[in-house]
Amino acid sequence: GIQVEQSPPDLILQEGANSTLRCNFSDSVNNLQWFHQNPWGQLINLFYIPSGTKQNGRLSATTVATERYSLLYISSSQTTDSGVYFCAVDQTGANNLFFGTGTRLTVIP
Amino acid sequence: DSGVTQTPKHLITATGQRVTLRCSPRSGDLSVYWYQQSLDQGLQFLIQYYNGEERAKGNILERFSAQQFPDLHSELNLSSLELGDSALYFCASSAPYQETQYFGPGTRLLVL
Repeated sequence: GIQVEQSPPDLILQEGANSTLRCNFSDSVNNLQWFHQNPWGQLINLFYIPSGTKQNGRLSATTVATERYSLLYISSSQTTDSGVYFCAVDQTGANNLFFGTGTRLTVIP
Repeated sequence: DSGVTQTPKHLITATGQRVTLRCSPRSGDLSVYWYQQSLDQGLQFLIQYYNGEERAKGNILERFSAQQFPDLHSELNLSSLELGDSALYFCASSAPYQETQYFGPGTRLLVL
């Protein structure tokens, strides 16, 4: 089956710093989504981005489907950005997401 | 708030028992997905329903079953529970022809 690798597994940042999270996938996909799981467990959809670039406030994401990777950029990080960031992909076309193992981000004041 | 609701928030039960988890999708969403998040397996897709019909199955055990009712709410039934079934169970929904999935707050199941 498809492999989804996220890096780094853990990241500690000072408030105000920028970061880049990476998601590599082993096969072509037709669907890629980024999620943030906050410390209370809630999963929040950040982007649906099978290809191209999108921006939403301090967050942006880029997916290069031909090279099988996606990047999530977080600028001017805040303590509320802490949590686990997941990349999830679908190959089937039925929108059944296969999740990576996540990047745990801790932003310290 | 994603608009997806799940009940109960927490559930503690014993091995061998059966439980039912409930999910109400966002208004207008026809697709419902169930996922399991555990420490050893991570986040795994279990099953998907679309407008009352099963559309796809993932890593769902035979002891588990689900259904989607005419009002589009869904229930996940877990039976003959084992310690390893302890996990956070999420429901998600999406709108017709849209891929973005919106997750509910989850049901945390503890099997003792």
